[in-house]
Amino acid sequence: EVQLVESGGGLVKPGGSLRLSCAASGFIFTNAWMSWVRQAPGKGLEWVGRVKSKTDGGTTDYAAPVKGRFTISRDDSKNTLYLQMNSLKTEDTAVYYCTTQQFFHFDPWGQGTLVTVSS
Amino acid sequence: QSALTQPASVSGSPGQSITISCTGTSSDVGGFNYVSWYQQHPGKAPKLMIYDVSNRPSGVSNRFSGSKSGNTASLTISGLQAEDEADYYCSSYTSSSTWVFGGGTKLTVL
Repeated sequence: EVQLVESGGGLVKPGGSLRLSCAASGFIFTNAWMSWVRQAPGKGLEWVGRVKSKTDGGTTDYAAPVKGRFTISRDDSKNTLYLQMNSLKTEDTAVYYCTTQQFFHFDPWGQGTLVTVSS
Repeated sequence: QSALTQPASVSGSPGQSITISCTGTSSDVGGFNYVSWYQQHPGKAPKLMIYDVSNRPSGVSNRFSGSKSGNTASLTISGLQAEDEADYYCSSYTSSSTWVFGGGTKLTVL
């Protein structure tokens, strides 16, 4: 069974940093393209960014609101995806979901981890 | 990249059919056949219902169907059931090699 389990969320002050992790199991993580999607409280979904598999170049793409502040990386030896978030703003408060990129759609999704940016 | 436009809410009675629209531009919905739809129940993670405009993943009821015309994609749910009550989001690949979601539609089964 495919499983994605996010961790690392919590309360952080504006301007601070946080690193989220996503532990993957049940599929060949090395071959997978992975994305992060977030959802602010009571709001809709917002794509954050994606990392390709290393065999496809391992490159990343980001949404405009997080470009230059967030970095997605992966450790294939640990079957783990990361989201390093720097210079956090109050508008980054959201549940962050890890999801497998199946060509041009997202499936499946983890249960999410809540990040709250507040002073 | 602006969010795709969806109606905030739709409703229908059990057994009826409803359609949720998702309007974008020629740089996203209209430019690619890569529209997907997700169902989200309160407090739960999104679930893929339709991909590549009209394809249904295994395990998803055939009551769910998708289509596209120009810059607008649509999700139709036929034979509405109580468990279909949820939020629905569309998503599209864009010409900037990014993805954009719709604002979401709350489906109420009366």
